[in-house]
Amino acid sequence: NAGVTQTPKFQVLKTGQSMTLQCAQDMNHEYMSWYRQDPGMGLRLIHYSVGAGITDQGEVPNGYNVSRSTTEDFPLRLLSAAPSQTSVYFCASTDAGGGVREQYFGPGTRLTVT
Amino acid sequence: GENVEQHPSTLSVQEGDSAVIKCTYSDSASNYFPWYKQELGKRPQLIIDIRSNVGEKKDQRIAVTLNKTAKHFSLHITETQPEDSAVYFCAATGATGNQFYFGTGTSLTVIP
Repeated sequence: NAGVTQTPKFQVLKTGQSMTLQCAQDMNHEYMSWYRQDPGMGLRLIHYSVGAGITDQGEVPNGYNVSRSTTEDFPLRLLSAAPSQTSVYFCASTDAGGGVREQYFGPGTRLTVT
Repeated sequence: GENVEQHPSTLSVQEGDSAVIKCTYSDSASNYFPWYKQELGKRPQLIIDIRSNVGEKKDQRIAVTLNKTAKHFSLHITETQPEDSAVYFCAATGATGNQFYFGTGTSLTVIP
């Protein structure tokens, strides 16, 4: 199993550009989430999904879109990048079987917006 | 939504001493409380978790305690080693169980 994978690992964007951060998991987990991590602020939930075709907003959804067409993939789209979106982005999938909610994180994408 | 507060933000201990990190949460419906360790430049990794129907859980040198009445939970690391140096995050799942709310992290340094 590859677990949770993310691409790219690093990205530099100019203000106003758009891009998609890719996330995939091969553990057949229903739940997937996107977080951003900023210094001193922990991980903040952007969007999450409880299954294919179902997505919902987290704490900081503005400026981001998601879709979940398959169980495996959960891409995050930045519509018009802003310097405030400079951050490290983590995708995670959750094993919710039997009520356990162990969350597995991808390796992260470091995004810089200039 | 849920609000998780974590203290202290930094913690230095001598090798072999114990370390304690404390978190409080606001939503009494939260039912799952994981702790993650994140080394520099790496992804967060689960080290221990506890469910709301359990008061304490131990795994070798790591233990977590939960006080549902007071809405706080703590991570205890005994016999600390230099490789325990990392940032530790607590989290709570909130009422729906579908969202994880994280504390702001504790940077632990174990001094050899």
